[in-house]
Amino acid sequence: NAGVTQTPKFRVLKTGQSMTLLCAQDMNHEYMYWYRQDPGMGLRLIHYSVGEGTTAKGEVPDGYNVSRLKKQNFLLGLESAAPSQTSVYFCASRGTGGRTEAFFGQGTRLTVV
Amino acid sequence: SQQGEEDPQALSIQEGENATMNCSYKTSINNLQWYRQNSGRGLVHLILIRSNEREKHSGRLRVTLDTSKKSSSLLITASRAADTASYFCATLQGAQKLVFGQGTRLTINP
Repeated sequence: NAGVTQTPKFRVLKTGQSMTLLCAQDMNHEYMYWYRQDPGMGLRLIHYSVGEGTTAKGEVPDGYNVSRLKKQNFLLGLESAAPSQTSVYFCASRGTGGRTEAFFGQGTRLTVV
Repeated sequence: SQQGEEDPQALSIQEGENATMNCSYKTSINNLQWYRQNSGRGLVHLILIRSNEREKHSGRLRVTLDTSKKSSSLLITASRAADTASYFCATLQGAQKLVFGQGTRLTINP
């Protein structure tokens, strides 16, 4: 049981380049989330999804797009990377119901130069 | 803006002492959860307390929730060096949105 898997683990981009971060979960969870973590800022919610084919904006959605074409996958896209998007990105998934805990991937460290 | 605000931002204590971290939030919640993050790793769930509960225990962890003050505390008793990590509170807004605070960095000195 792999849980939540993020790829890639590390990436360096040049300003203006695009890329897609992949999050895959094998727990049949409905909810999936993308966060970014910056020093002293905690985790900030970028986008989230409450089921296949649905997405919603979080606290800091600008500059990012997401897609949830399959229930097990949640993709985070950067169309034109900026240095301000240098961060560690975490994906999480959660089952339905108000009591359930979130499971996290190991993170993707992205540097935009 | 962050929903949960932890206090203190950093805490350093001696092994064996108790560690208390606090979390405040702004909107109504279904539940409040505490997570732990070891350096460079993903977050791991520790304990969940529902909005109609006031206190919850799990091993050396004790969580309290005061919905009238919109605050929660996490107590770790008899701390160990392995407890060194960052601790985050998270609030579930509605049934969908899980929002985290800025975290408390806990250092346990041997």
